[in-house]
Amino acid sequence: KNEVEQSPQNLTAQEGEFITINCSYSVGISALHWLQQHPGGGIVSLFMLSSGKKKHGRLIATINIQEKHSSLHITASHPRDSAVYICAVNSGDYQLIWGAGTKLIIKP
Amino acid sequence: DAGITQSPRHKVTETGTPVTLRCHQTENHRYMYWYRQDPGHGLRLIHYSYGVKDTDKGEVSDGYSVSRSKTEDFLLTLESATSSQTSVYFCAIGAGGPEAFFGQGTRLTVV
Repeated sequence: KNEVEQSPQNLTAQEGEFITINCSYSVGISALHWLQQHPGGGIVSLFMLSSGKKKHGRLIATINIQEKHSSLHITASHPRDSAVYICAVNSGDYQLIWGAGTKLIIKP
Repeated sequence: DAGITQSPRHKVTETGTPVTLRCHQTENHRYMYWYRQDPGHGLRLIHYSYGVKDTDKGEVSDGYSVSRSKTEDFLLTLESATSSQTSVYFCAIGAGGPEAFFGQGTRLTVV
Protein backbone atom coordinates (compact mmCIF):
# COMPACT_ATOMS: atom_id res chain seq x y z
CA LYS A 1 0.00 0.00 0.00
CA ASN A 2 1.33 3.43 -0.93
CA GLU A 3 1.99 5.77 1.94
CA VAL A 4 0.33 8.64 0.05
CA GLU A 5 -2.87 7.95 -1.85
CA GLN A 6 -4.62 10.43 -4.10
CA SER A 7 -8.10 10.28 -5.51
CA PRO A 8 -9.37 10.41 -8.07
CA GLN A 9 -6.60 9.43 -10.47
CA ASN A 10 -8.36 11.20 -13.31
CA LEU A 11 -11.03 13.87 -13.24
CA THR A 12 -12.83 15.55 -16.12
CA ALA A 13 -15.20 18.42 -15.42
CA GLN A 14 -16.91 21.32 -17.14
CA GLU A 15 -15.72 24.87 -16.84
CA GLY A 16 -17.12 26.53 -13.75
CA GLU A 17 -17.49 23.39 -11.67
CA PHE A 18 -16.18 23.08 -8.12
CA ILE A 19 -13.30 20.60 -8.03
CA THR A 20 -12.07 18.51 -5.12
CA ILE A 21 -8.96 16.35 -5.12
CA ASN A 22 -8.19 14.22 -2.10
CA CYS A 23 -4.99 13.02 -0.48
CA SER A 24 -4.70 10.48 2.32
CA TYR A 25 -1.48 9.45 3.99
CA SER A 26 -0.48 6.77 6.45
CA VAL A 27 2.70 8.20 7.99
CA GLY A 28 3.35 10.90 10.52
CA ILE A 29 4.11 14.15 8.77
CA SER A 30 5.46 17.56 9.50
CA ALA A 31 4.05 19.13 6.35
CA LEU A 32 2.03 18.37 3.24
CA HIS A 33 2.56 19.91 -0.17
CA TRP A 34 0.22 20.38 -3.11
CA LEU A 35 1.96 20.84 -6.44
CA GLN A 36 0.82 21.45 -10.00
CA GLN A 37 2.30 20.22 -13.25
CA HIS A 38 1.02 21.32 -16.64
CA PRO A 39 1.51 18.96 -19.59
CA GLY A 40 5.14 18.97 -20.61
CA GLY A 41 5.85 21.53 -17.96
CA GLY A 42 7.70 22.00 -14.75
CA ILE A 43 6.39 21.43 -11.25
CA VAL A 44 5.10 24.34 -9.24
CA SER A 45 4.47 24.30 -5.51
CA LEU A 46 0.95 25.53 -4.73
CA PHE A 47 0.69 25.09 -0.98
CA MET A 48 2.57 23.81 1.99
CA LEU A 49 0.32 22.92 4.93
CA SER A 50 0.95 21.73 8.43
CA SER A 51 -2.52 22.50 9.78
CA GLY A 52 -5.82 24.13 8.93
CA LYS A 53 -6.55 25.77 5.63
CA LYS A 54 -4.87 27.98 3.05
CA LYS A 55 -6.35 29.94 0.17
CA HIS A 56 -4.73 31.43 -2.90
CA GLY A 57 -7.05 32.88 -5.49
CA ARG A 58 -9.45 30.14 -6.56
CA LEU A 59 -7.45 27.41 -4.87
CA ILE A 60 -8.11 26.23 -1.34
CA ALA A 61 -6.19 23.54 0.52
CA THR A 62 -7.23 21.96 3.78
CA ILE A 63 -5.64 19.40 6.02
CA ASN A 64 -6.95 17.29 8.90
CA ILE A 65 -3.97 15.97 10.81
CA GLN A 66 -6.03 13.62 12.99
CA GLU A 67 -7.66 11.99 9.99
CA LYS A 68 -4.45 12.11 7.91
CA HIS A 69 -6.30 13.66 5.02
CA SER A 70 -5.97 16.74 2.85
CA SER A 71 -8.10 18.19 0.09
CA LEU A 72 -7.39 20.60 -2.71
CA HIS A 73 -10.38 22.55 -3.97
CA ILE A 74 -10.67 24.66 -7.10
CA THR A 75 -13.60 27.05 -7.33
CA ALA A 76 -14.99 28.28 -10.66
CA SER A 77 -12.72 25.93 -12.57
CA HIS A 78 -11.23 27.05 -15.88
CA PRO A 79 -9.58 25.16 -18.74
CA ARG A 80 -6.22 26.63 -17.72
CA ASP A 81 -6.55 24.67 -14.47
CA SER A 82 -6.09 21.49 -16.49
CA ALA A 83 -2.96 19.89 -15.09
CA VAL A 84 -1.71 17.10 -12.88
CA TYR A 85 -2.04 17.88 -9.18
CA ILE A 86 0.35 16.11 -6.89
CA CYS A 87 0.22 15.63 -3.14
CA ALA A 88 3.47 15.03 -1.27
CA VAL A 89 4.26 14.76 2.42
CA ASN A 90 7.33 15.52 4.46
CA SER A 91 7.78 12.81 7.03
CA GLY A 92 10.62 14.60 8.72
CA ASP A 93 13.84 13.42 7.10
CA TYR A 94 14.08 16.14 4.45
CA GLN A 95 12.59 13.91 1.82
CA LEU A 96 9.15 13.97 0.28
CA ILE A 97 6.83 10.99 -0.12
CA TRP A 98 4.85 11.50 -3.29
CA GLY A 99 1.35 10.65 -4.37
CA ALA A 100 0.81 9.41 -7.91
CA GLY A 101 -0.99 12.56 -8.99
CA THR A 102 -4.47 13.45 -10.19
CA LYS A 103 -4.91 14.38 -13.82
CA LEU A 104 -7.52 17.13 -14.12
CA ILE A 105 -9.14 18.15 -17.40
CA ILE A 106 -11.50 21.10 -17.47
CA LYS A 107 -13.59 21.31 -20.63
CA PRO A 108 -14.82 24.67 -21.93
CA ASP B 1 10.38 32.23 -8.79
CA ALA B 2 13.26 30.42 -7.15
CA GLY B 3 16.48 30.44 -9.14
CA ILE B 4 16.87 26.85 -10.20
CA THR B 5 17.84 25.84 -13.71
CA GLN B 6 18.47 22.50 -15.33
CA SER B 7 20.60 21.78 -18.36
CA PRO B 8 20.17 20.45 -20.88
CA ARG B 9 16.37 20.59 -21.21
CA HIS B 10 16.30 17.84 -23.82
CA LYS B 11 18.82 15.19 -24.73
CA VAL B 12 18.90 12.13 -26.94
CA THR B 13 21.77 9.76 -26.36
CA GLU B 14 22.81 6.27 -27.33
CA THR B 15 22.80 3.24 -25.09
CA GLY B 16 26.09 2.82 -23.29
CA THR B 17 27.18 6.44 -23.41
CA PRO B 18 27.74 8.53 -20.28
CA VAL B 19 25.40 11.44 -19.67
CA THR B 20 25.59 14.27 -17.17
CA LEU B 21 22.69 16.49 -16.20
CA ARG B 22 23.27 19.72 -14.35
CA CYS B 23 21.19 21.50 -11.76
CA HIS B 24 22.14 25.03 -10.79
CA GLN B 25 20.55 27.05 -7.99
CA THR B 26 21.01 30.63 -6.89
CA GLU B 27 19.12 30.25 -3.59
CA ASN B 28 22.07 28.99 -1.52
CA HIS B 29 19.87 26.12 -0.36
CA ARG B 30 21.53 23.30 1.50
CA TYR B 31 19.31 20.49 0.18
CA MET B 32 19.18 19.49 -3.49
CA TYR B 33 17.44 16.51 -5.06
CA TRP B 34 17.27 14.59 -8.31
CA TYR B 35 14.01 12.85 -9.23
CA ARG B 36 12.83 10.93 -12.22
CA GLN B 37 9.25 10.99 -13.39
CA ASP B 38 7.74 8.12 -15.31
CA PRO B 39 4.13 7.35 -16.22
CA GLY B 40 2.44 5.34 -13.50
CA HIS B 41 5.20 5.97 -10.96
CA GLY B 42 4.99 9.62 -10.07
CA LEU B 43 8.23 11.15 -8.89
CA ARG B 44 10.94 8.88 -7.53
CA LEU B 45 14.01 10.07 -5.70
CA ILE B 46 17.33 9.15 -7.29
CA HIS B 47 19.86 10.91 -5.07
CA TYR B 48 19.91 13.91 -2.83
CA SER B 49 22.50 16.17 -1.27
CA TYR B 50 22.51 17.81 2.13
CA GLY B 51 25.64 19.87 1.60
CA VAL B 52 28.82 20.19 -0.43
CA LYS B 53 30.25 16.72 -0.95
CA ASP B 54 27.42 15.23 1.16
CA THR B 55 25.10 13.02 -0.85
CA ASP B 56 22.90 10.02 -0.26
CA LYS B 57 20.94 7.51 -2.29
CA GLY B 58 17.25 7.59 -2.96
CA GLU B 59 14.93 4.75 -3.90
CA VAL B 60 16.09 4.37 -7.53
CA SER B 61 19.81 5.14 -7.37
CA ASP B 62 21.15 2.15 -9.33
CA GLY B 63 22.93 3.28 -12.50
CA TYR B 64 23.24 6.87 -11.32
CA SER B 65 25.90 8.85 -9.51
CA VAL B 66 25.92 12.43 -8.29
CA SER B 67 28.40 15.05 -7.28
CA ARG B 68 28.18 18.33 -5.45
CA SER B 69 31.44 20.22 -5.41
CA LYS B 70 29.83 23.58 -4.63
CA THR B 71 26.56 24.69 -3.09
CA GLU B 72 24.98 25.89 -6.30
CA ASP B 73 25.58 22.87 -8.53
CA PHE B 74 24.31 19.30 -8.28
CA LEU B 75 25.29 16.97 -11.10
CA LEU B 76 23.57 13.72 -12.02
CA THR B 77 25.59 11.23 -14.10
CA LEU B 78 24.39 8.17 -15.90
CA GLU B 79 27.61 6.20 -16.20
CA SER B 80 26.36 4.05 -19.09
CA ALA B 81 22.90 5.04 -20.23
CA THR B 82 20.28 2.35 -20.75
CA SER B 83 16.85 2.52 -22.35
CA SER B 84 15.25 2.10 -18.92
CA GLN B 85 16.72 5.48 -17.99
CA THR B 86 14.61 7.23 -20.60
CA SER B 87 12.61 9.57 -18.41
CA VAL B 88 12.00 13.13 -17.37
CA TYR B 89 14.45 14.24 -14.70
CA PHE B 90 13.65 16.97 -12.20
CA CYS B 91 15.98 18.76 -9.88
CA ALA B 92 14.58 20.28 -6.71
CA ILE B 93 15.76 22.33 -3.81
CA GLY B 94 14.20 22.33 -0.38
CA ALA B 95 11.93 19.39 -1.20
CA GLY B 96 11.14 17.95 2.19
CA GLY B 97 11.53 21.20 4.04
CA PRO B 98 9.25 24.19 4.33
CA GLU B 99 9.57 25.09 0.68
CA ALA B 100 9.90 23.04 -2.47
CA PHE B 101 11.18 24.46 -5.75
CA PHE B 102 11.66 22.50 -8.92
CA GLY B 103 13.57 22.93 -12.12
CA GLN B 104 11.79 22.77 -15.46
CA GLY B 105 12.88 19.21 -16.08
CA THR B 106 15.18 17.45 -18.52
CA ARG B 107 13.67 15.06 -21.02
CA LEU B 108 16.22 12.32 -21.65
CA THR B 109 15.79 9.72 -24.36
CA VAL B 110 18.16 6.79 -24.57
CA VAL B 111 18.05 5.05 -27.96
